[in-house]
Amino acid sequence: GAGVSQSPSNKVTEKGKDVELRCDPISGHTALYWYRQSLGQGLEFLIYFQGNSAPDKSGLPSDRFSAERTGGSVSTLTIQRTQQEDSAVYLCASGPSLLYEQYFGPGTRLTVT
Amino acid sequence: RKEVEQDPGPFNVPEGATVAFNCTYSNSASQSFFWYRQDCRKEPKLLMSVYSSGNEDGRFTAQLNRASQYISLLIRDSKLSDSATYLCVVRNAGNMLTFGGGTRLMVKP
Repeated sequence: GAGVSQSPSNKVTEKGKDVELRCDPISGHTALYWYRQSLGQGLEFLIYFQGNSAPDKSGLPSDRFSAERTGGSVSTLTIQRTQQEDSAVYLCASGPSLLYEQYFGPGTRLTVT
Repeated sequence: RKEVEQDPGPFNVPEGATVAFNCTYSNSASQSFFWYRQDCRKEPKLLMSVYSSGNEDGRFTAQLNRASQYISLLIRDSKLSDSATYLCVVRNAGNMLTFGGGTRLMVKP
């Protein structure tokens, strides 16, 4: 079946602009996660959603980052006033619940110039 | 100390060799464990979950040692296509997933 999809695949933006990244999870998956990965680095957890529960935002690096998940499905990650250090690959993953494995999307490569 | 630690490698092995990676975790309350593989500039993909009794999937064997707080991944009869970065993932009681930094494997002809 269809996997996790993310859009755009690549985004180049100027410093100070806002960006929105989109994630479409696997149908029926209640858990959705956002991570970011800088070049040559490990995954950094940002936020997760589980069903209708309040999201765990503990990994968001600053208040410029926010995420929402509408209708328990599609999620958007918004970065306001982008900075060069925000440049990374932003990965979304979904899972049947928090207790099980995650399946990753192909990521959005964000470059802030 | 990092919550999940892995030797970054690279591990350079010839085709057909057996190679093993370890991953240590610091939170004794960790509940679930996984190995993912990540190819260069690609997203991580689940390789296998790690069960308390140990589990095997073809050439891959995963083990969990709760007393010493580590998990291992053994790859037998290495193939060129096994070249990738192997990520250790640990879930704690708060359902947070923590990824290790990965171990890079390079299988040479």
